[in-house]
Amino acid sequence: GQNIDQPTEMTATEGAIVQINCTYQTSGFNGLFWYQQHAGEAPTFLSYNVLDGLEEKGRFSSFLSRSKGYSYLLLKELQMKDSASYLCAPEGNQGGKLIFGQGTELSVKP
Amino acid sequence: DTEVTQTPKHLVMGMTNKKSLKCEQHMGHRAMYWYKQKAKKPPELMFVYSYEKLSINESVPSRFSPECPNSSLLNLHLHALQPEDSALYLCASSQTPRASGQYFGPGTRLTVT
Repeated sequence: GQNIDQPTEMTATEGAIVQINCTYQTSGFNGLFWYQQHAGEAPTFLSYNVLDGLEEKGRFSSFLSRSKGYSYLLLKELQMKDSASYLCAPEGNQGGKLIFGQGTELSVKP
Repeated sequence: DTEVTQTPKHLVMGMTNKKSLKCEQHMGHRAMYWYKQKAKKPPELMFVYSYEKLSINESVPSRFSPECPNSSLLNLHLHALQPEDSALYLCASSQTPRASGQYFGPGTRLTVT
């Protein structure tokens, strides 16, 4: 079966660091994507991990452990505009088929 | 040009109408996708076109009919829809069908009355 688990909601303070975890079980695995979605807008591609380890891109970093079926998205120096839903999306064996998690709604407070 | 465009932005249609949603990208991407998204839910994949051929159909009802006239364009033809089909319809594209970030258009907000 296919199962993706990420927290429903998180709250953090402006300027802080937050880590959004994702565990997954999928039929086959080609890599894992993270997307950001602001309310009423389309998802925006943030990162892609295929090998184990940390990928850093500015304030955002993403980590993958294939053996543990685990990923996290790390957001540093939080800004109010980072308030959004963050979607974990592993890619299964079928090319292009992303399996989206339910999303983590992040609220950044002043 | 680094964007995916979709028209119309909003569409209201009756259950007996026929309408089409359009999607366009000029990034040279060879994979294009249709997703459906309900409020407070993640996007659900409907169709994948890979090199202009339909490669994935997620058991979507036949009242939704995709078409890929060329590598830059993707259409979704709608006919005899139900009120529960009301949703945000998102188009996306990626450089290749595998291991490649998908870039989403702004979506078409569809209401079926």
